[in-house]
Amino acid sequence: KAGVTQTPRYLIKTRGQQVTLSCSPISGHRSVSWYQQTPGQGLQFLFEYFSETQRNKGNFPGRFSGRQFSNSRSEMNVSTLELGDSALYLCASSEGLPSYEQYFGPGTRLTVT
Amino acid sequence: QKEVEQDPGPLSVPEGAIVSLNCTYSNSAFQYFMWYRQYSRKGPELLMYTYSSGNKEDGRFTAQVDKSSKYISLFIRDSQPSDSATYLCAMSPKAGGTSYGKLTFGQGTILTVHP
Repeated sequence: KAGVTQTPRYLIKTRGQQVTLSCSPISGHRSVSWYQQTPGQGLQFLFEYFSETQRNKGNFPGRFSGRQFSNSRSEMNVSTLELGDSALYLCASSEGLPSYEQYFGPGTRLTVT
Repeated sequence: QKEVEQDPGPLSVPEGAIVSLNCTYSNSAFQYFMWYRQYSRKGPELLMYTYSSGNKEDGRFTAQVDKSSKYISLFIRDSQPSDSATYLCAMSPKAGGTSYGKLTFGQGTILTVHP
């Protein structure tokens, strides 16, 4: 089976802009979780989607949002970018039955200037 | 205080050594425990997954969970230079409510195995 894919792999944006990141889960996986990874804070949970519904959300401002499509693909959006949003954004998929084993994609490296 | 504490290292060992990586946690609701390996500029790769207390072995890797002490370990036998990476522990309570799809991670331990 193909692994989790994320696009784009690298992004450079300017403060105040918005950005959309995409994630395609492993075939058959219905749950997608998003994480932000920074050197100072490590991996922090953003939100989780299952069957097009957000089931859980972490402690991030409303500028961070996401959605999931009927084919389980997911997108996350960050509006009004701030310098502190520079990070590696990781998407992980699991069967979601529930399933606790999450498989990560390579991430999208976002740099905000 | 963080829910999961992990010594960031760095840890440097010679090839062939036994490596011990550890995490402690404070949330007694955690029941599912995982170890991930992350190479530079890559996403985390799931190495081991265990439920509740006990040991699990997979090749050169052994995961231990001691829920009474809120302590988990990963042992790597016969370490290789290719094991050089950051190792992250992660854990989750039983799914439901605010725990759906959420893993809580340690900060990661940077491991270098030198030839």
